[in-house]
Amino acid sequence: SQQGEEDPQALSIQEGENATMNCSYKTSINNLQWYRQNSGRGLVHLILIRSNEREKHSGRLRVTLDTSKKSSSLLITASRAADTASYFCATQNSGNTPLVFGKGTRLSVIA
Amino acid sequence: DTEVTQTPKHLVMGMTNKKSLKCEQHMGHRAMYWYKQKAKKPPELMFVYSYEKLSINESVPSRFSPECPNSSLLNLHLHALQPEDSALYLCASSRKTDPYAVHFGPGTRLTVT
Repeated sequence: SQQGEEDPQALSIQEGENATMNCSYKTSINNLQWYRQNSGRGLVHLILIRSNEREKHSGRLRVTLDTSKKSSSLLITASRAADTASYFCATQNSGNTPLVFGKGTRLSVIA
Repeated sequence: DTEVTQTPKHLVMGMTNKKSLKCEQHMGHRAMYWYKQKAKKPPELMFVYSYEKLSINESVPSRFSPECPNSSLLNLHLHALQPEDSALYLCASSRKTDPYAVHFGPGTRLTVT
């Protein structure tokens, strides 16, 4: 089953610009995570934000979480061509339930 | 060792063949997963193993048969597949401590002819 909906589905920007992707979900969560997937490869975990956190940073990544709106955003600053990939949000409900992935945003960074 | 390995990278099989996908991790993770991913779609959970026992089967057809021989290995046995089963099959592992990040392998690209 699918929980998250990413917006936009596809995003194309110039190198050096910032990229913002949004994720909305439907049910209460324990945490929300963002993953990156290069074409046809495995997913790489980027960042995890717990339900009691509002913002988290990791290098050029900034994630926000608004549990009242059931939404999250991923900001990639000063994008590079190597950031070209699909980005998925994934939610975990309370306990040890597995991750449920959103549809993903395909990001293209043009050099 | 902080990675999940999968073999083979690519597999082409006929509908009457029997094949197996293999996955290995040495991070001491006690949860292991199989996901199926079609092109331009998110990963879909197939199976979850917790402490070497099958804990979740997401109504996967019996032509897919998972096996967890020990805490480091996870197999997916394939038999009598259909062309629509062609996809990227991703193995993953994680701690059991809540919350947790999931570590994915590079996947096996399966084509059923």
